[in-house]
Amino acid sequence: DADVTQTPRNRITKTGKRIMLECSQTKGHDRMYWYRQDPGLGLRLIYYSFDVKDINKGEISDGYSVSRQAQAKFSLSLESAIPNQTALYFCATSDTGQPNYGYTFGSGTRLTVV
Amino acid sequence: KQEVTQIPAALSVPEGENLVLNCSFTDSAIYNLQWFRQDPGKGLTSLLLIQSSQREQTSGRLNASLDKSSGRSTLYIAASQPGDSATYLCAVRGEKTSYDKVIFGPGTSLSVIP
Repeated sequence: DADVTQTPRNRITKTGKRIMLECSQTKGHDRMYWYRQDPGLGLRLIYYSFDVKDINKGEISDGYSVSRQAQAKFSLSLESAIPNQTALYFCATSDTGQPNYGYTFGSGTRLTVV
Repeated sequence: KQEVTQIPAALSVPEGENLVLNCSFTDSAIYNLQWFRQDPGKGLTSLLLIQSSQREQTSGRLNASLDKSSGRSTLYIAASQPGDSATYLCAVRGEKTSYDKVIFGPGTSLSVIP
């Protein structure tokens, strides 16, 4: 099993629909992140969480919300999807207790809003 | 504001050639720099992470160097193989931000021709 699992892998949804992307991890990391990747724009941070009671906005949080249900689970919601939210979404984790303090990424969710 | 650039944007080389990918950052106050590999439509796989106090890291045919003062990192790939074809991203974590912020470069798309 992957250390960081994202579901679904692919999703097509209609404009205006609410959709949730889920992320779970088995690494025991305390920090979790949601990024989106767009061609030519690279990876941009949507939200991040340092622990279950800590949620912070990233650089492009408008139109998104998150929930940290447990240390291992961090979900991203699009309240009312719009076409420009079509992108590849990644969940990532890191651990402040690790001396090398790097990121581990999930395999991504490809979201298409039509 | 930290900005991360990668040159070249794309690179095509014959199999067996040694090559260098470049990553530049504008703010030298970094905590670490991480190199990732991304296969098309897939997640990011961590290759190497260099702490700000280190000059280089090696893993197999990969060697990453860091020169904080000049704001540069290079990823050296020895004896390239077709399986090395992917997009390579560098990510810089700053030390002066009040929260955990990692800035990604746009990536270098590498194609190794058999």
